[in-house]
Amino acid sequence: DQQVKQNSPSLSVQEGRISILNCDYTNSMFDYFLWYKKYPAEGPTFLISISSIKDKNEDGRFTVFLNKSAKHLSLHIVPSQPGDSAVYFCAASDFGNEKLTFGTGTRLTIIP
Amino acid sequence: DTAVSQTPKYLVTQMGNDKSIKCEQNLGHDTMYWYKQDSKKFLKIMFSYNNKELIINETVPNRFSPKSPDKAHLNLHINSLELGDSAVYFCASSSKGRRQYFGPGTRLTVT
Repeated sequence: DQQVKQNSPSLSVQEGRISILNCDYTNSMFDYFLWYKKYPAEGPTFLISISSIKDKNEDGRFTVFLNKSAKHLSLHIVPSQPGDSAVYFCAASDFGNEKLTFGTGTRLTIIP
Repeated sequence: DTAVSQTPKYLVTQMGNDKSIKCEQNLGHDTMYWYKQDSKKFLKIMFSYNNKELIINETVPNRFSPKSPDKAHLNLHINSLELGDSAVYFCASSSKGRRQYFGPGTRLTVT
């Protein structure tokens, strides 16, 4: 049973435009969410996170939005740059449990 | 300086062999993890150690045995390798927060 889902395996966006990556979860115990970025032949690197007490967190060009009632979060990248081309993983955990549950990833391609 | 390092980066071996993957972190973190990314790119936790003590053990065959000689190292030993063990294995570490730092991965190919 996949508790974290990223339904779009791939996404292409023009350079300079907004990239929106989506993630849905089913476990209502999840209270902390993270986005990781992964380049080929490298490990995932942390991008941004959000706690369930917030509905938005911003860091430079990256903003994560959390809709708890819909069990949905999204990552916005504005403006998109060629270096943003990578696979993006959504992950979630619940309080007291250090285990991260990952989605299957979305491959983002930024078109110059 | 590499924060979380793994060796080897690539490992090709035959079915039935025993192999080990090593992981070291220089971040001073207390907790270390092993994840497996399968052919469908699904990243799933296998084990977690906190200060050399096993705290997470997902449903993993007994052929997989983690070993933590100290809190900076978490090695993964695999006995009697099978074709289905082919995957990329990632080591990670974390401190008190829930952000985890990942190593570069070890691509294991069993032939």
